[in-house]
Amino acid sequence: DAGVIQSPRHEVTEMGQEVTLRCKPISGHDYLFWYRQTMMRGLELLIYFNNNVPIDDSGMPEDRFSAKMPNASFSTLKIQPSEPRDSAVYFCASSPPSGAGQYFGPGTRLTVT
Amino acid sequence: KQEVTQIPAALSVPEGENLVLNCSFTDSAIYNLQWFRQDPGKGLTSLLLIQSSQREQTSGRLNASLDKSSGRSTLYIAASQPGDSATYLCAVSPAGGSQGNLIFGKGTKLSVKP
Repeated sequence: DAGVIQSPRHEVTEMGQEVTLRCKPISGHDYLFWYRQTMMRGLELLIYFNNNVPIDDSGMPEDRFSAKMPNASFSTLKIQPSEPRDSAVYFCASSPPSGAGQYFGPGTRLTVT
Repeated sequence: KQEVTQIPAALSVPEGENLVLNCSFTDSAIYNLQWFRQDPGKGLTSLLLIQSSQREQTSGRLNASLDKSSGRSTLYIAASQPGDSATYLCAVSPAGGSQGNLIFGKGTKLSVKP
């Protein structure tokens, strides 16, 4: 199994531009999570899905952030418009049923200038 | 609200030492607790998962214990090696929510010197 796949690995963009981060979970996992990691705040859960349905998006910082999961093998996290304070590493993770732990992707390092 | 604390924030030890990393959480109602390793610029690698009904888990030189009633977990690393240098994160899955939802501590940055 290839593990959780994220793209791009690095993204540099200018303030005001739209950014789309992509994630492919491990096949057979029915939970998908988006996290953001910064030095100041550590790892924060943004949103998670179960069977492609968003369950809790209370961690999404504001309306500029949106996430979708159109099918079991693909999810996107979109920021529009992006701001410098969005600069962070964004991780996607997936989990099988019955609480058997989470498996993380390599992350996307986003820099907004 | 569940909070996870890891002490110390950083630790430096000479190669070969046995060491203990600490994790505490404020609400004992959890599904499980997971220890991760994160190398600089990389993602998280799961090390050990302890279900709420378990007391400990072992993998190679690593042993994690869980005392749910006191809200504590420890990660024991035997005979440390320079390759163990990384940040170690503890995370709990709160009961009452999704079993997959995790709340993370800020991590302990471990440096093992040759």
